[in-house]
Amino acid sequence: EAQVTQNPRYLITVTGKKLTVTCSQNMNHEYMSWYRQDPGLGLRQIYYSMNVEVTDKGDVPEGYKVSRKEKRNFPLILESPSPNQTSLYFCASSSFGLAADTQYFGPGTRLTVL
Amino acid sequence: AQSVTQPDIHITVSEGASLELRCNYSYGATPYLFWYVQSPGQGLQLLLKYFSGDTLVQGIKGFEAEFKRSQSSFNLRKPSVHWSDAAEYFCAVNDNNNDMRFGAGTRLTVKP
Repeated sequence: EAQVTQNPRYLITVTGKKLTVTCSQNMNHEYMSWYRQDPGLGLRQIYYSMNVEVTDKGDVPEGYKVSRKEKRNFPLILESPSPNQTSLYFCASSSFGLAADTQYFGPGTRLTVL
Repeated sequence: AQSVTQPDIHITVSEGASLELRCNYSYGATPYLFWYVQSPGQGLQLLLKYFSGDTLVQGIKGFEAEFKRSQSSFNLRKPSVHWSDAAEYFCAVNDNNNDMRFGAGTRLTVKP
């Protein structure tokens, strides 16, 4: 089954404790992206990647890191999480390296930073 | 910078009634336009998209949207709403620069 998976689905952590949210897709997609969803703000793009070793900032990259060492994986790293990073996070992928293509979304990761 | 506005935060319609969700964008050229739906506890699913050509676009689940350049709008419509359509709907814009802008979303409640 074609899908985007994220782990963990739920995470509660404390300020300053490094964490990684994994994202994996099995569709051989070139383009991958991370979003955060906050009430009243919709989805805001954090980082995106057009291919292996190619990443770029979205609208709200501060406090986040990403890497793209393999085509299928695009982990989101919070080196020192803070309470304002409490949010619902979505990973997405699309096939042609352009956001104009249909994006397939993962189920989301709900992160709480205390 | 491009932006997307969904003026209605929450809409309630009766089952069987028609639906229109509004979306306006701010951008100099014609961007790529999308509508996504998010059911409770789920990720987003694409309903339809507009790139060029016919300004009336058909999507899945009986939805359609019309692009109106003069009004910078891309409103989503459905002639008869079903209870299963209750969800949050997001309009999104991309100007082919690989970054996407989403509206704040419209939550749809369907009354029996």
